[in-house]
Amino acid sequence: QKEVEQNSGPLSVPEGAIASLNCTYSDRGSQSFFWYRQYSGKSPELIMFIYSNGDKEDGRFTAQLNKASQYVSLLIRDSQPSDSATYLCAVNTNAGKSTFGDGTTLTVKP
Amino acid sequence: ETGVTQSPTHLIKTRGQQVTLRCSSQSGHNTVSWYQQALGQGPQFIFQYYREEENGRGNFPPRFSGLQFPNYSSELNVNALELDDSALYLCASRHQAGGGSDTQYFGPGTRLTVL
Repeated sequence: QKEVEQNSGPLSVPEGAIASLNCTYSDRGSQSFFWYRQYSGKSPELIMFIYSNGDKEDGRFTAQLNKASQYVSLLIRDSQPSDSATYLCAVNTNAGKSTFGDGTTLTVKP
Repeated sequence: ETGVTQSPTHLIKTRGQQVTLRCSSQSGHNTVSWYQQALGQGPQFIFQYYREEENGRGNFPPRFSGLQFPNYSSELNVNALELDDSALYLCASRHQAGGGSDTQYFGPGTRLTVL
């Protein structure tokens, strides 16, 4: 079992819809959780981070964390074609080590 | 722009050779991490340097080594290159103030191809 698991996709949504991306992790000692967006051939770009259980909203993005279920998700509202990318979930331990999932590829169709 | 730069952008080497990749962190960032990202996979943690000392390492053999310098630059060295070392190598820097919750900023990466 991988330490951080994501559905590889591809996930396809129409423009304007809500895209829902999910991530589970195995280390209960994980302290912080990050979502990155990565365009093909580029490096990861931080979208959001979340530390506490519950929801955190930033513009069209909402991160949700449930530590009891070891689950973190990212919702993208009003999806745009420019949101088409691979979304990486990363989990940090107290030592600062980041463990990444293999990403979910999102395609937003006009 | 994250303020983190890497060089070179692309590199082609042959099996058995050695390579040095470079990273320049944001000013004031005392921690740099290096990652290997193979095609279709997420970044894999190689190691982390804090104040010029290695303080964390992933499942990579000793032929992967690094250095961090006082001027916020760092190096990743790979000896005896193998075909499977072909990947995007990413460095990420952050200011470690305590715990693991600090945000890290990625450089653009170096694409290494081993023939």
